[in-house]
Amino acid sequence: NAGVTQTPKFRVLKTGQSMTLLCAQDMNHEYMYWYRQDPGMGLRLIHYSVGEGTTAKGEVPDGYNVSRLKKQNFLLGLESAAPSQTSVYFCASSFSSPETQYFGPGTRLLVL
Amino acid sequence: AQSVTQLDSQVPVFEEAPVELRCNYSSSVSVYLFWYVQYPNQGLQLLLKYLSGSTLVKGINGFEAEFNKSQTSFHLRKPSVHISDTAEYFCAVSGDNFNKFYFGSGTKLNVKP
Repeated sequence: NAGVTQTPKFRVLKTGQSMTLLCAQDMNHEYMYWYRQDPGMGLRLIHYSVGEGTTAKGEVPDGYNVSRLKKQNFLLGLESAAPSQTSVYFCASSFSSPETQYFGPGTRLLVL
Repeated sequence: AQSVTQLDSQVPVFEEAPVELRCNYSSSVSVYLFWYVQYPNQGLQLLLKYLSGSTLVKGINGFEAEFNKSQTSFHLRKPSVHISDTAEYFCAVSGDNFNKFYFGSGTKLNVKP
């Protein structure tokens, strides 16, 4: 039982490049979330999903897209990376809401 | 929308001393409250949560928190801290939209020997 895993752990991008962050959970959770963590600002919700095939905007969705084609996976995409997207990205999942969220180890993204 | 305020960005404390980490929230509806802990280079782990019932909530590692509706607070306490409690602590709230969670900016607890 791996819990929540995130791929990759670290990535460096140039401005304008695109990339996809993968989150996978093996707990059969319905809900999945993507957050970004910036110093002094805590975690801010980017997008979330309440089930396979569904997605919704969170607090800071601009510049990101998501997909939930399979229940266990939640993908976060950056179509054209900007330096302001330099952050640590965390994925989380929960059985329902508002219930305990289980977090992945995070992905550090640096956009030059 | 909800908001969460953690009044202290850093709290230094000596080992075996008591500690209180403060959290205030804004909400006009029922809320659900959480405290998470983050150790260096790791994801967040749940310490405790308040969904309903008793306003005094006990969590893991000897932590507890009290939900005070009149003061819109959910302060985290531990009577005697250990070096291993050194971490960053986040308060979170979910309320009007149960699918959304709002986190505070975090409090770094530094336990000194």
